[in-house]
Amino acid sequence: GESVGLHLPTLSVQEGDNSIINCAYSNSASDYFIWYKQESGKGPQFIIDIRSNMDKRQGQRVTVLLNKTVKHLSLQIAATQPGDSAVYFCAELGGAQKLVFGQGTRLTINP
Amino acid sequence: DGGITQSPKYLFRKEGQNVTLSCEQNLNHDAMYWYRQDPGQGLRLIYYSQIVNDFQKGDIAEGYSVSREKKESFPLTVTSAQKNPTAFYLCASSRRGFNTGELFFGEGSRLTVL
Repeated sequence: GESVGLHLPTLSVQEGDNSIINCAYSNSASDYFIWYKQESGKGPQFIIDIRSNMDKRQGQRVTVLLNKTVKHLSLQIAATQPGDSAVYFCAELGGAQKLVFGQGTRLTINP
Repeated sequence: DGGITQSPKYLFRKEGQNVTLSCEQNLNHDAMYWYRQDPGQGLRLIYYSQIVNDFQKGDIAEGYSVSREKKESFPLTVTSAQKNPTAFYLCASSRRGFNTGELFFGEGSRLTVL
């Protein structure tokens, strides 16, 4: 079946370090992926997206990498700040043309 | 400012009661969505609407109902048939369908059944 999963449910990094959040997907036909950030008690916010015709896309302090061979997606956050503490979700546009969300990874930034 | 407004933010309901969650957007988006989020889990799609007067069931539509009489509004009714309604409900909108760009989410409504 179709699923989007994350390798780690929690991740702790030191402030100023880089962080990498990983995501595996199962539908090789998926062609659109999005990363969202959700702060406590709020709705998710769009961070960055990538289409399957690309393998890398950069934003402000964030980079998304897509490896279609192993069906793996990652979000890299450079020079993490306290405001980066949140739950991060990857989402995949699946075969039914509906977004499928992963379980989420909680990122904690240590001072 | 443009955005999505959900109300109420917190809601308590007795078992057997229906409750309606409001979602309004002023982004002029065609598509609107309702998701359910349980602790430690991702978002699951309840219903979505690509255009006014039309909506489709998502993955967990049982026990829920929606209407889309106006472009700006997509209310969700949690009926007494929903066996486990306590959850965080998120409304979202997008310019068109899922694959045309990002979803804009509201701040959520937390429903607790007593």
